[in-house]
Amino acid sequence: DAGVTQSPTHLIKTRGQHVTLRCSPISGHKSVSWYQQVLGQGPQFIFQYYEKEERGRGNFPDRFSARQFPNYSSELNVNALLLGDSALYLCASSPMGSGQPQHFGDGTRLSIL
Amino acid sequence: AQRVTQPEKLLSVFKGAPVELKCNYSYSGSPELFWYVQYSRQRLQLLLRHISRESIKGFTADLNKGETSFHLKKPFAQEEDSAMYYCAPRQHGGSRLTFGEGTQLTVNP
Repeated sequence: DAGVTQSPTHLIKTRGQHVTLRCSPISGHKSVSWYQQVLGQGPQFIFQYYEKEERGRGNFPDRFSARQFPNYSSELNVNALLLGDSALYLCASSPMGSGQPQHFGDGTRLSIL
Repeated sequence: AQRVTQPEKLLSVFKGAPVELKCNYSYSGSPELFWYVQYSRQRLQLLLRHISRESIKGFTADLNKGETSFHLKKPFAQEEDSAMYYCAPRQHGGSRLTFGEGTQLTVNP
């Protein structure tokens, strides 16, 4: 049984570039959330999508955007990358939009040079 | 503001000793409380949630609304319990988790 899958696993970019991270939820899960985890800190909520609509947004600048596709997979986009965007980006899925535990992927390690 | 405090970044105990990982929260409304664990080279995974009132891998956690705490306890620690533990409240019925900074537990032989 495949869990949440994320791609790529690692990515290196330079300042000013943009990046797209991808997430496939567990089969049957309709909600996807994105978190940023900076080294030494706990994950910070970025977005939640449910049924292709944004249901929540954390305290992140407009350079961060996301979307969810009809098959419930999701993309996180970050524009004009800054050094401070270097982090592990985690995707989590759950069956419904609220009230149920989230299941996490392995994350994408993004390094900005 | 929603806040989660895990006062110990590092916690080291010997095998067979009791262990308690502290979590204090400041959260509006009546949150659900979760503990997530990350073992070495593995993904973040749910350990337990307070509404289940269950024991997972010998761990329990009691929600103390008066003290706004949700400490994780195990009477006899095992080496395989060594991991990073995160406390995370969530608005009841919501989806957004607010994570603490985590406690790295090391159980020594």
